[in-house]
Amino acid sequence: SYTLTQPPSVSVSPGQTARITCSGDALPNQFAFWYQQKPGQAPELVIYKDSERSSGIPERFSGSSAGTTVTLTISGVQAEDEADYFCQSADTTGSYVVFGGGTKLTVL
Amino acid sequence: EMQLVQSGGGLVQPGGSLRLSCAASGFNMSFYWMHWVRQVPGKGLVWVSRINSDARTTSYADSVKGRFTISRDNAKNTLYLQMNSLTVEDTAIYYCALCRYCSRTTWDRFDPWGQGILVTVSS
Repeated sequence: SYTLTQPPSVSVSPGQTARITCSGDALPNQFAFWYQQKPGQAPELVIYKDSERSSGIPERFSGSSAGTTVTLTISGVQAEDEADYFCQSADTTGSYVVFGGGTKLTVL
Repeated sequence: EMQLVQSGGGLVQPGGSLRLSCAASGFNMSFYWMHWVRQVPGKGLVWVSRINSDARTTSYADSVKGRFTISRDNAKNTLYLQMNSLTVEDTAIYYCALCRYCSRTTWDRFDPWGQGILVTVSS
């Protein structure tokens, strides 16, 4: 079955840039979406269609795509950005949706 | 504001049943595909099921096929998930989610999500 691979954890100091990657063979043909999830809360859409920022999401959040990897970039990380981040996409045929395993962003 | 409010979770014994509800407010749910996604606490997100706007098309993850039934009542602006023959592996937080731009062959963003509700299957 199709899988999306994310690093389990990323750590950065406040003000630095965090990059979270998501890899999958179908990503050149399918859009990716990114969600932020804070403890005890539901996921919240951050980025849609690889690089479009969702309404109300700060400009420091951006998305990009290159081949089989998509990247969520958080520039000037703030303490409030500490959360789990999940990518979402579909298999090549669009038959089913999958989520990445999630990346825990720690702000040191 | 578009909002989804969930109810119906709780503790159930293996082999038992439970029905989850997801009430939409601030928008007319009848135009959109709706989905259920679950998450074992501390783990990743797993898609469970979807239903189209007029309830004629549904699909399920293999892990729940034949045991779970998704349905909707557009007059009540509410989505449901009937869960039967529950096992301990079904223990998770269940989220409903709206997908405005999904179709039978297209997957798009899930936004918004319900607050999530915990289902615990244990003897």
